[in-house]
Amino acid sequence: GEQVEQLPSILRVQEGSSASINCTYENSASNYFPWYKQEPGENPKLIIDIRSNMERKQTQGLIVLLDKKAKRFSLHITDTQPGDSAMYFCAAHDSGYNKLTFGKGTVLLVSP
Amino acid sequence: ETAVFQTPNYHVTQVGNEVSFNCKQTLGHDTMYWYKQDSKKLLKIMFSYNNKQLIVNETVPRRFSPQSSDKAHLNLRIKSVEPEDSAVYLCASSSGTGRGYAEQFFGPGTRLTVL
Repeated sequence: GEQVEQLPSILRVQEGSSASINCTYENSASNYFPWYKQEPGENPKLIIDIRSNMERKQTQGLIVLLDKKAKRFSLHITDTQPGDSAMYFCAAHDSGYNKLTFGKGTVLLVSP
Repeated sequence: ETAVFQTPNYHVTQVGNEVSFNCKQTLGHDTMYWYKQDSKKLLKIMFSYNNKQLIVNETVPRRFSPQSSDKAHLNLRIKSVEPEDSAVYLCASSSGTGRGYAEQFFGPGTRLTVL
């Protein structure tokens, strides 16, 4: 199966600065890497994703990078706002096992 | 409204009891999932079904059994609950067969507390 490591577990930043979360995976067959945001008491919601045929994707202040050689992908939030405070999960879809494996999550705290 | 719906929102029960959770999606998706999210927020897949067929069955205790009557419904039954079953159970759905990449939409979750 797949193993996904996610760091850091907690990230504190000042409003307006950028935040970066890094994930690594083990299975080279993984081909899809979504990022989910989960606010307290809510369900996880997809915020951005990247497929294995891409190296970079950007949307609305979010950037994801994928380095297939290093089996590493990352989320970068530019110009963070207090509303960005939440738990963020990375995940890798293993096409061989037909499932998403999630990282352990990163608590992002954006202070005014 | 198109979404993933779960009932109940909360359930408190005693060790050894049986519980059932329901999930329905009105998104027209073919694949549905059950995840367990523990107290540390770790999200782990338990089962997935594509058009009523089981396609992923992770190593979970035998007291857990999924039930799918049609592709829009996936229920979860737990026979004889244990304290470690206390968690939030999240249902999700996606388009396609589950074998490729497709966004998974999560339901609001059912919080189970086992006393």
